[in-house]
Amino acid sequence: DQQVKQNSPSLSVQEGRISILNCDYTNSMFDYFLWYKKYPAEGPTFLISISSIKDKNEDGRFTVFLNKSAKHLSLHIVPSQPGDSAVYFCAASALGSGTYKYIFGTGTRLKVLA
Amino acid sequence: DVKVTQSSRYLVKRTGEKVFLECVQDMDHENMFWYRQDPGLGLRLIYFSYDVKMKEKGDIPEGYSVSREKKERFSLILESASTNQTSMYLCASSFPQGTEAFFGQGTRLTVV
Repeated sequence: DQQVKQNSPSLSVQEGRISILNCDYTNSMFDYFLWYKKYPAEGPTFLISISSIKDKNEDGRFTVFLNKSAKHLSLHIVPSQPGDSAVYFCAASALGSGTYKYIFGTGTRLKVLA
Repeated sequence: DVKVTQSSRYLVKRTGEKVFLECVQDMDHENMFWYRQDPGLGLRLIYFSYDVKMKEKGDIPEGYSVSREKKERFSLILESASTNQTSMYLCASSFPQGTEAFFGQGTRLTVV
């Protein structure tokens, strides 16, 4: 049962344009949503997060939007740069067994074309 | 800077071997996690720990065990390695609030 879903395995965008990565979830008890970026043969690095009580969080070129009624979040990257080419994972944190654990989606591979 | 260090970047082991993957964090985090990453499957949680000597099963614990004798160190043990355990293994740590987890660089394990 996939609680966090990224339905687009890949996305290609021209340099300078907007990249929009999407994520859907099923559990309304998630408290935080996070985006991670991963290069091949490296560990994921944290990009940006949003609390479940907010609907938008912005950090430089990265903005995350949360639509709780639709159980949907998206990551916007503006403007996209070639160095943004990586796999992006959406994650959600849920309280269970005495602490928070992180549940990840399957990832979206972003390719930014120069 | 938070640092999560995994003992090996690449490992090749034989079927049936007992394998130890070590992870150390320097941020005094209570929580530590082991994930594996496989193409098309994302990151799947194997085990996690929220305190010394405490451990909880994740979504795919079969064939694995863990050890947390000190707060900064979390070990993943493959009791008898099998070829279907060939994967990228990722260790992470966090404070208990669920806001952000920090990952190590990963260990690419190949079981032959």
